Amino acid sequence: EAQVTQNPRYLITVTGKKLTVTCSQNMNHEYMSWYRQDPGLGLRQIYYSMNVEVTDKGDVPEGYKVSRKEKRNFPLILESPSPNQTSLYFCASSFRGRVENSPLHFGNGTRLTVT
Amino acid sequence: TQLLEQSPQFLSIQEGENLTVYCNSSSVFSSLQWYRQEPGEGPVLLVTVVTGGEVKKLKRLTFQFGDARKDSSLHITAAQPGDTGLYLCAGRRNTNAGKSTFGDGTTLTVKP
Repeated sequence: EAQVTQNPRYLITVTGKKLTVTCSQNMNHEYMSWYRQDPGLGLRQIYYSMNVEVTDKGDVPEGYKVSRKEKRNFPLILESPSPNQTSLYFCASSFRGRVENSPLHFGNGTRLTVT
Repeated sequence: TQLLEQSPQFLSIQEGENLTVYCNSSSVFSSLQWYRQEPGEGPVLLVTVVTGGEVKKLKRLTFQFGDARKDSSLHITAAQPGDTGLYLCAGRRNTNAGKSTFGDGTTLTVKP
């Protein structure tokens, strides 16, 4: 089944403890992206990757890191999480990043709580 | 800066009623997509519109892209409880196709 898989689905952590949220897609998509979703603010883009070894900042990259060493995986790293990073996170992928109408396929989300 | 504004933010209607959701911007987009999101899941694509003035129909849903490609609307005819969900519009530009901008969403509740 074609899908985007995020892990974990739920995560509760403490301020400053490094964490990684994994994202994997099995559709051979070039493009991958991370978003956070907060009430009243919609989906905001954190980082995106047009292809392997190519990453760029989205609208809210502060406090996050990503890597794209292989096509299928795009982990989101929080080196020192803070309470304002408590949010619902989504990973998404699409076939071609350079085609502006290429539809996004989303994972089921990771709910992160930082205390 | 919210580049895509959706209205209304919340909408609660009775089964069988019609409704329209709007997605407006002061910027031009190369394409605009509509997604629906249900609780506990990621957004799922409904439609992509790319041509100014384009109208697409998906059963009881009609999507329109403005002539100037700055706005879009979603019209649902004879809404059903299964239409309940969060509706999101998203725009992308060919000058930077990697960046996608989402509206803040319209939460629709259709009561039986």
